[in-house]
Amino acid sequence: QKEVEQNSGPLSVPEGAIASLNCTYSDRGSQSFFWYRQYSGKSPELIMSIYSNGDKEDGRFTAQLNKASQYVSLLIRDSQPSDSATYLCAVNAAGRRALTFGSGTRLQVQP
Amino acid sequence: GAGVSQSPSNKVTEKGKDVELRCDPISGHTALYWYRQSLGQGLEFLIYFQGNSAPDKSGLPSDRFSAERTGGSVSTLTIQRTQQEDSAVYLCASSFGGGEETQYFGPGTRLLVL
Repeated sequence: QKEVEQNSGPLSVPEGAIASLNCTYSDRGSQSFFWYRQYSGKSPELIMSIYSNGDKEDGRFTAQLNKASQYVSLLIRDSQPSDSATYLCAVNAAGRRALTFGSGTRLQVQP
Repeated sequence: GAGVSQSPSNKVTEKGKDVELRCDPISGHTALYWYRQSLGQGLEFLIYFQGNSAPDKSGLPSDRFSAERTGGSVSTLTIQRTQQEDSAVYLCASSFGGGEETQYFGPGTRLLVL
C-alpha cells in the first residue's frame, strides 16, 4: 500500500462545475496535509494546507480533512479551464519534516 | 519577494559524468529540501536540512548522491557517475522551519543523462 494514494485521473469536469479530488494516507500519525497544483512542465505551487479535522475554505477552494478515515479532499468550485493541472496531495507524517506526496490527479476542465 | 531559485534550469550530461545542482532558498527560511520527480511520477524525497542540525539523508537513493548546505543558505546536490535512471526533475523547496511545514518549491532543474 502506498503511503499517499490518489486516483491518477484524468478527472474531467465542465467549466463552472465542482471538481472533487480525493486522497487517502496510511500513516495515522500524520499531522499536516497539503494540496499542491502542478502545471505541465512547472514546479508545484501550494493551494491549501489543513491541519485539523473539518473544512477549510479559501476562495473557490475547500480542503476537507477526516483523520479518523485517513482521508483528505480538495473541492474546487466554479471550475475554470485554467484550473486544468495535476493536483498533488502531500502529507507530513509525525516526526518527519519531509513531505510524502501522492502521484497526483490530473484535472481537465472542459470549456 | 524572491522565491526559491535553482540553477541550472536544464542540464544534459553523459553517463558517468558528475553533476552539481544548486538551490538558493527563500531568505529567512531555515529548512531546505531536495526532491526528485521522474517523468509522470510523484515527488520523491531525497534530503532535508534544518539549520545547523545533521541533515536527514534517508531519501538518497545511492551513495552517488550527496548534498551540502553552506552557511545555512545555498545548497548543492551532487550526483557522481550519473546513470540514465538519474534523469528527472530535481526540485528544491524551503520552509521557515521550527514547526512551520509549508514548503515552497523552486522551478527545478531538468536533468537528462544520455
